[in-house]
Amino acid sequence: NAGVTQTPKFQVLKTGQSMTLQCAQDMNHEYMSWYRQDPGMGLRLIHYSVGAGITDQGEVPNGYNVSRSTTEDFPLRLLSAAPSQTSVYFCASRRESSSYEQYFGPGTRLTVT
Amino acid sequence: AQSVSQHNHHVILSEAASLELGCNYSYGGTVNLFWYVQYPGQHLQLLLKYFSGDPLVKGIKGFEAEFIKSKFSFNLRKPSVQWSDTAEYFCAVNGYSGAGSYQLTFGKGTKLSVIP
Repeated sequence: NAGVTQTPKFQVLKTGQSMTLQCAQDMNHEYMSWYRQDPGMGLRLIHYSVGAGITDQGEVPNGYNVSRSTTEDFPLRLLSAAPSQTSVYFCASRRESSSYEQYFGPGTRLTVT
Repeated sequence: AQSVSQHNHHVILSEAASLELGCNYSYGGTVNLFWYVQYPGQHLQLLLKYFSGDPLVKGIKGFEAEFIKSKFSFNLRKPSVQWSDTAEYFCAVNGYSGAGSYQLTFGKGTKLSVIP
């Protein structure tokens, strides 16, 4: 049982480049989400999904796209990277109920130059 | 919209000192409350959670938190900290978003540095 996995662990992009951050979970959780963590800002929700085929925006969705074709995977796409997207990105999953804790992946540290 | 406020950005303590980290939330409905910890270079791990019942919740590693509904607070405590408690601590509230799901909103975090 691997839990929540993320790839890559580190990435450097140039402004304007695109990339996809991968996230997978093997716990059959309905709910998955992406957060970004910036110093002094805590974690802010980017996008979330309550099940395959269903996604919605969080607090800071601009510049990011998501899709959920399977229960296991929830990739985050940056279409045209900007320096403001330099951050640490965490994927999380949980059972779809308010009573369940979220499990976090190890994070991806992204630098956009 | 729900929000979480953590009172201290950085707390420095000597080993064996007592710890209390403040957390206040703003949300009109029933909430579930969490404290997560992030050790240097690692991902977030759950310390403890409150859903209902006894407002004094005990978590891992000797941490506890008290939910005071009238004060909208969920403060984290530990009687005697250790150097290994050096980490960043995040308070979070899980409230209904109105879009068919519950969203976890985090405070900005409190860095704890424990001096041997």
